Amino acid sequence: AQKVTQAQTEISVVEKEDVTLDCVYETRDTTYYLFWYKQPPSGELVFLIRRNSFDEQNEISGRYSWNFQKSTSSFNFTITASQVVDSAVYFCALSGYNAGNMLTFGGGTRLMVKP
Amino acid sequence: DTAVSQTPKYLVTQMGNDKSIKCEQNLGHDTMYWYKQDSKKFLKIMFSYNNKELIINETVPNRFSPKSPDKAHLNLHINSLELGDSAVYFCASSQGQQTNYGYTFGSGTRLTVV
Repeated sequence: AQKVTQAQTEISVVEKEDVTLDCVYETRDTTYYLFWYKQPPSGELVFLIRRNSFDEQNEISGRYSWNFQKSTSSFNFTITASQVVDSAVYFCALSGYNAGNMLTFGGGTRLMVKP
Repeated sequence: DTAVSQTPKYLVTQMGNDKSIKCEQNLGHDTMYWYKQDSKKFLKIMFSYNNKELIINETVPNRFSPKSPDKAHLNLHINSLELGDSAVYFCASSQGQQTNYGYTFGSGTRLTVV
Protein backbone atom coordinates (compact mmCIF):
# COMPACT_ATOMS: atom_id res chain seq x y z
CA ALA A 1 0.00 0.00 0.00
CA GLN A 2 1.14 3.52 -0.61
CA LYS A 3 0.31 6.66 1.33
CA VAL A 4 0.99 10.37 1.04
CA THR A 5 0.65 12.78 3.95
CA GLN A 6 0.48 16.53 3.70
CA ALA A 7 0.28 17.59 7.31
CA GLN A 8 -0.38 21.26 6.59
CA THR A 9 -4.01 21.60 5.59
CA GLU A 10 -3.85 25.38 5.22
CA ILE A 11 -1.07 27.96 5.09
CA SER A 12 -1.48 31.70 4.93
CA VAL A 13 1.40 34.01 3.99
CA VAL A 14 1.87 37.58 2.92
CA GLU A 15 3.07 38.28 -0.58
CA LYS A 16 6.85 38.00 -1.08
CA GLU A 17 7.27 35.59 1.80
CA ASP A 18 8.86 32.20 1.14
CA VAL A 19 6.72 29.18 1.94
CA THR A 20 7.44 25.45 2.12
CA LEU A 21 4.79 22.79 1.64
CA ASP A 22 5.60 19.47 3.27
CA CYS A 23 5.01 16.03 1.81
CA VAL A 24 5.82 12.69 3.41
CA TYR A 25 5.17 9.40 1.66
CA GLU A 26 5.12 5.68 2.33
CA THR A 27 5.65 2.93 -0.21
CA ARG A 28 7.11 -0.56 -0.36
CA ASP A 29 8.23 -0.06 -3.94
CA THR A 30 11.87 0.68 -4.64
CA THR A 31 10.90 2.28 -7.93
CA TYR A 32 8.36 5.04 -7.66
CA TYR A 33 7.53 8.53 -8.86
CA LEU A 34 6.59 11.61 -6.89
CA PHE A 35 4.51 14.47 -8.23
CA TRP A 36 3.25 17.89 -7.29
CA TYR A 37 0.07 19.33 -8.73
CA LYS A 38 -1.50 22.76 -8.31
CA GLN A 39 -5.26 23.24 -8.23
CA PRO A 40 -6.14 26.92 -8.59
CA PRO A 41 -9.62 28.24 -7.72
CA SER A 42 -10.71 27.50 -11.30
CA GLY A 43 -10.46 23.79 -10.42
CA GLU A 44 -8.18 22.19 -12.96
CA LEU A 45 -5.17 20.11 -11.92
CA VAL A 46 -1.92 21.62 -13.13
CA PHE A 47 1.14 19.39 -13.28
CA LEU A 48 4.22 20.97 -11.65
CA ILE A 49 6.89 18.28 -11.36
CA ARG A 50 7.61 14.55 -11.57
CA ARG A 51 10.62 13.03 -9.81
CA ASN A 52 11.71 9.38 -9.84
CA SER A 53 12.98 7.56 -6.78
CA PHE A 54 16.52 7.24 -8.13
CA ASP A 55 17.04 10.94 -8.63
CA GLU A 56 17.56 12.78 -5.37
CA GLN A 57 18.84 15.95 -6.96
CA ASN A 58 16.94 19.01 -5.90
CA GLU A 59 15.21 20.91 -8.65
CA ILE A 60 14.59 24.58 -9.18
CA SER A 61 12.20 26.09 -11.68
CA GLY A 62 11.90 29.84 -11.37
CA ARG A 63 10.44 30.61 -7.95
CA TYR A 64 9.66 26.93 -7.34
CA SER A 65 12.07 24.42 -5.84
CA TRP A 66 11.72 20.85 -4.65
CA ASN A 67 13.71 18.99 -2.03
CA PHE A 68 13.59 15.20 -2.29
CA GLN A 69 15.04 13.30 0.67
CA LYS A 70 14.73 9.55 0.43
CA SER A 71 16.14 9.07 3.93
CA THR A 72 13.15 10.84 5.43
CA SER A 73 10.66 9.88 2.67
CA SER A 74 9.92 13.51 2.02
CA PHE A 75 9.40 15.59 -1.10
CA ASN A 76 8.94 19.18 -0.02
CA PHE A 77 8.00 22.10 -2.22
CA THR A 78 9.17 25.68 -1.67
CA ILE A 79 7.81 28.80 -3.30
CA THR A 80 10.17 31.75 -3.07
CA ALA A 81 8.80 35.30 -3.01
CA SER A 82 5.21 34.12 -3.09
CA GLN A 83 2.64 35.95 -5.18
CA VAL A 84 -1.14 36.22 -4.93
CA VAL A 85 -1.42 34.04 -8.07
CA ASP A 86 0.21 31.21 -6.13
CA SER A 87 -2.95 30.91 -4.04
CA ALA A 88 -4.25 27.41 -4.71
CA VAL A 89 -4.48 23.91 -3.29
CA TYR A 90 -1.28 21.97 -3.82
CA PHE A 91 -1.24 18.20 -3.99
CA CYS A 92 1.68 15.84 -3.56
CA ALA A 93 1.19 12.42 -5.17
CA LEU A 94 2.97 9.08 -5.44
CA SER A 95 2.92 6.34 -8.06
CA GLY A 96 4.63 3.08 -7.22
CA TYR A 97 5.87 0.53 -9.76
CA ASN A 98 3.59 -2.14 -8.38
CA ALA A 99 0.57 0.12 -8.21
CA GLY A 100 -0.16 0.01 -11.93
CA ASN A 101 0.60 3.69 -12.41
CA MET A 102 -2.14 4.58 -9.96
CA LEU A 103 -1.58 7.98 -8.40
CA THR A 104 -2.10 8.22 -4.66
CA PHE A 105 -2.68 11.81 -3.60
CA GLY A 106 -2.06 13.52 -0.32
CA GLY A 107 -4.90 15.48 1.23
CA GLY A 108 -3.66 18.76 -0.22
CA THR A 109 -2.41 22.01 1.29
CA ARG A 110 -4.43 25.16 0.71
CA LEU A 111 -2.05 28.09 0.27
CA MET A 112 -3.42 31.60 0.64
CA VAL A 113 -1.12 34.43 -0.35
CA LYS A 114 -2.36 37.80 0.82
CA PRO A 115 -1.32 41.07 -0.79
CA ASP B 1 -6.89 21.51 -28.97
CA THR B 2 -7.75 20.23 -25.52
CA ALA B 3 -5.69 17.13 -24.73
CA VAL B 4 -8.18 15.52 -22.31
CA SER B 5 -11.70 16.84 -22.56
CA GLN B 6 -14.62 16.03 -20.32
CA THR B 7 -18.27 16.79 -20.85
CA PRO B 8 -20.25 18.20 -19.27
CA LYS B 9 -18.28 20.60 -17.07
CA TYR B 10 -21.21 20.97 -14.68
CA LEU B 11 -24.02 18.53 -14.03
CA VAL B 12 -26.91 19.10 -11.64
CA THR B 13 -29.38 16.28 -11.29
CA GLN B 14 -31.91 14.80 -8.93
CA MET B 15 -31.43 11.77 -6.72
CA GLY B 16 -32.30 8.53 -8.40
CA ASN B 17 -31.44 9.69 -11.91
CA ASP B 18 -28.91 8.02 -14.23
CA LYS B 19 -26.23 10.18 -15.79
CA SER B 20 -23.08 9.86 -17.87
CA ILE B 21 -19.86 11.83 -18.04
CA LYS B 22 -17.82 11.58 -21.20
CA CYS B 23 -14.05 11.75 -21.56
CA GLU B 24 -11.93 11.88 -24.69
CA GLN B 25 -8.19 12.24 -25.13
CA ASN B 26 -6.37 13.11 -28.33
CA LEU B 27 -2.87 12.32 -27.07
CA GLY B 28 -2.70 8.77 -28.35
CA HIS B 29 -2.36 7.50 -24.78
CA ASP B 30 -3.08 3.86 -23.93
CA THR B 31 -4.32 4.27 -20.40
CA MET B 32 -7.21 6.30 -19.02
CA TYR B 33 -8.47 6.89 -15.50
CA TRP B 34 -11.32 8.28 -13.47
CA TYR B 35 -10.59 10.08 -10.22
CA LYS B 36 -13.10 11.45 -7.72
CA GLN B 37 -12.49 14.58 -5.66
CA ASP B 38 -14.84 14.93 -2.72
CA SER B 39 -15.96 18.06 -0.91
CA LYS B 40 -12.85 17.98 1.30
CA LYS B 41 -10.64 17.96 -1.79
CA PHE B 42 -9.50 14.36 -1.35
CA LEU B 43 -8.60 12.82 -4.70
CA LYS B 44 -9.00 9.10 -5.12
CA ILE B 45 -8.75 6.79 -8.10
CA MET B 46 -11.88 4.99 -9.18
CA PHE B 47 -10.98 3.14 -12.39
CA SER B 48 -8.12 2.61 -14.77
CA TYR B 49 -8.40 1.27 -18.32
CA ASN B 50 -5.58 0.19 -20.60
CA ASN B 51 -6.44 -0.30 -24.26
CA LYS B 52 -10.12 -0.65 -23.41
CA GLU B 53 -9.41 -3.23 -20.71
CA LEU B 54 -10.21 -2.62 -17.04
CA ILE B 55 -7.02 -2.60 -14.98
CA ILE B 56 -7.92 -0.98 -11.68
CA ASN B 57 -11.30 -0.98 -10.04
CA GLU B 58 -11.10 0.51 -6.58
CA THR B 59 -13.87 0.08 -4.07
CA VAL B 60 -16.60 1.84 -5.96
CA PRO B 61 -20.34 1.06 -5.79
CA ASN B 62 -21.73 -1.05 -8.63
CA ARG B 63 -23.83 1.94 -9.62
CA PHE B 64 -20.69 3.32 -11.26
CA SER B 65 -19.87 1.67 -14.56
CA PRO B 66 -17.03 2.83 -16.78
CA LYS B 67 -17.18 2.12 -20.49
CA SER B 68 -14.33 2.39 -22.94
CA PRO B 69 -15.51 2.05 -26.56
CA ASP B 70 -11.94 2.68 -27.78
CA LYS B 71 -8.67 3.69 -26.22
CA ALA B 72 -9.37 7.39 -26.76
CA HIS B 73 -12.61 7.38 -24.78
CA LEU B 74 -13.52 6.46 -21.23
CA ASN B 75 -17.05 7.30 -20.16
CA LEU B 76 -18.47 7.06 -16.68
CA HIS B 77 -22.08 6.05 -16.22
CA ILE B 78 -23.73 6.42 -12.83
CA ASN B 79 -27.05 4.77 -11.98
CA SER B 80 -29.47 5.75 -9.23
CA LEU B 81 -27.55 8.83 -8.20
CA GLU B 82 -27.24 9.56 -4.49
CA LEU B 83 -26.46 12.75 -2.60
CA GLY B 84 -23.04 11.36 -1.67
CA ASP B 85 -22.08 11.12 -5.33
CA SER B 86 -21.78 14.90 -5.45
CA ALA B 87 -18.13 15.55 -6.23
CA VAL B 88 -15.76 16.64 -8.96
CA TYR B 89 -14.83 13.81 -11.30
CA PHE B 90 -11.53 14.00 -13.16
CA CYS B 91 -10.60 12.00 -16.19
CA ALA B 92 -6.90 11.48 -16.95
CA SER B 93 -4.70 9.65 -19.40
CA SER B 94 -1.13 8.42 -19.56
CA GLN B 95 1.13 6.86 -22.17
CA GLY B 96 1.12 3.47 -20.54
CA GLN B 97 0.84 1.59 -17.30
CA GLN B 98 4.37 2.15 -16.10
CA THR B 99 5.05 4.73 -13.46
CA ASN B 100 7.51 6.72 -15.51
CA TYR B 101 4.72 8.12 -17.64
CA GLY B 102 3.05 11.28 -16.44
CA TYR B 103 -0.62 12.00 -16.32
CA THR B 104 -2.69 14.52 -18.23
CA PHE B 105 -5.87 15.50 -16.43
CA GLY B 106 -9.10 16.82 -17.83
CA SER B 107 -10.60 19.97 -16.34
CA GLY B 108 -13.10 18.06 -14.23
CA THR B 109 -16.87 17.59 -14.10
CA ARG B 110 -18.64 19.00 -11.07
CA LEU B 111 -21.60 16.73 -10.29
CA THR B 112 -24.23 18.01 -7.90
CA VAL B 113 -27.00 15.68 -6.81
CA VAL B 114 -30.02 17.38 -5.24
